[in-house]
Amino acid sequence: SQKIEQNSEALNIQEGKTATLTCNYTNYSPAYLQWYRQDPGRGPVFLLLIRENEKEKRKERLKVTFDTTLKQSLFHITASQPADSATYLCALAGGNQFYFGTGTSLTVIP
Amino acid sequence: GAVVSQHPSRVICKSGTSVKIECRSLDFQATTMFWYRQFPKQSLMLMATSNEGSKATYEQGVEKDKFLINHASLTLSTLTVTSAHPEDSSFYICSARPSGSLSWEQYFGPGTRLTVT
Repeated sequence: SQKIEQNSEALNIQEGKTATLTCNYTNYSPAYLQWYRQDPGRGPVFLLLIRENEKEKRKERLKVTFDTTLKQSLFHITASQPADSATYLCALAGGNQFYFGTGTSLTVIP
Repeated sequence: GAVVSQHPSRVICKSGTSVKIECRSLDFQATTMFWYRQFPKQSLMLMATSNEGSKATYEQGVEKDKFLINHASLTLSTLTVTSAHPEDSSFYICSARPSGSLSWEQYFGPGTRLTVT
């Protein structure tokens, strides 16, 4: 069965620094990978999608990379702000189904 | 656009009773909706895929007779937890895929917190 791991359960960084979150997967070859933000007690909000034939995607302060050889995606938030504090989930997709990682709780310290 | 609502947002019920959760796509039609469950500090686990006008497809290990799904219209899917027990207490989240959209698109509802006492 597929296994999706996100680097750490919690990550604390100083405001203004770049946060880097990792998503590793096994036993799967996803057509694309997505990143979501989830605030406590709320549903996930879609942030970025990257396809298997893409190496990098950017959106404002967000950047995602996708290495299908390493079976890894990196999610970067540059110039981080306290408002970026949330749990970030990666999700693998293929066909009609999605599989979510365990999430990384990011805290940006002012 | 692409707003999904869930009702209720919180529900407390007694063990042995049934609870219905509604998922609505407010400004789009959704042929496919998904139901997830999330336990504290864990990720979302897909329970079932609901297709309008047909039977839901359940993930392995999810009891279809306990978690009844009805997708009677293009904007509404319901999840009924029958004979609920304390171990069913969880955060239930639905998502909806706009009809005719790319397979990766889905928009999540705000979730329903179920507590079974």
